[in-house]
Amino acid sequence: NAGVMQNPRHLVRRRGQEARLRCSPMKGHSHVYWYRQLPEEGLKFMVYLQKENIIDESGMPKERFSAEFPKEGPSILRIQQVVRGDSAAYFCASSPSGTLSGNTIYFGEGSWLTVV
Amino acid sequence: RKEVEQDPGPFNVPEGATVAFNCTYSNSASQSFFWYRQDCRKEPKLLMSVYSSGNEDGRFTAQLNRASQYISLLIRDSKLSDSATYLCVVRRTNDYKLSFGAGTTVTVRA
Repeated sequence: NAGVMQNPRHLVRRRGQEARLRCSPMKGHSHVYWYRQLPEEGLKFMVYLQKENIIDESGMPKERFSAEFPKEGPSILRIQQVVRGDSAAYFCASSPSGTLSGNTIYFGEGSWLTVV
Repeated sequence: RKEVEQDPGPFNVPEGATVAFNCTYSNSASQSFFWYRQDCRKEPKLLMSVYSSGNEDGRFTAQLNRASQYISLLIRDSKLSDSATYLCVVRRTNDYKLSFGAGTTVTVRA
């Protein structure tokens, strides 16, 4: 099942380190979304990307967070100088085109970041 | 106020029981509605879309009340495998972002 692939599944970082989370969308999907789920909370939209373009990053914290989806390779969510509050599950999702056209999005299994 | 609110539960029910719970949404511009299921430390998976006329998928029935801005999910003949957190999800008109509730936890006991 070539679904949305995320890695690493689990990541432990010390405060101040960098975390890089990777997401390979489903085959044929060119739209990628990142969501974050803090403990006991619902998923929150972070960023929407198409190949080489950031379409909407309104949900991204203003500092330390960045995302990219290069022409070749996976989408990457990068968190610099991590703090304890960044500990969360980060889910990537993909769709063949934008969800405005009614496409369902498919989630990856998530990357669980723990900051110690 | 949160855009999507759910009773967190937990709802503890015996096998075979019926369990129902609601979700309210605050934005009247919401257009699309879904129930997702999330198992512990797993990704959310689409359970069903919710249509204005209400819809059923096997033992699951979803209802939408636009006037009161709530969505409901009913599970009949509960199975042990129905134990999970059920996420209410809403999408606004002309928006691609999904807004998730924090989830309602259902535990089905033998």
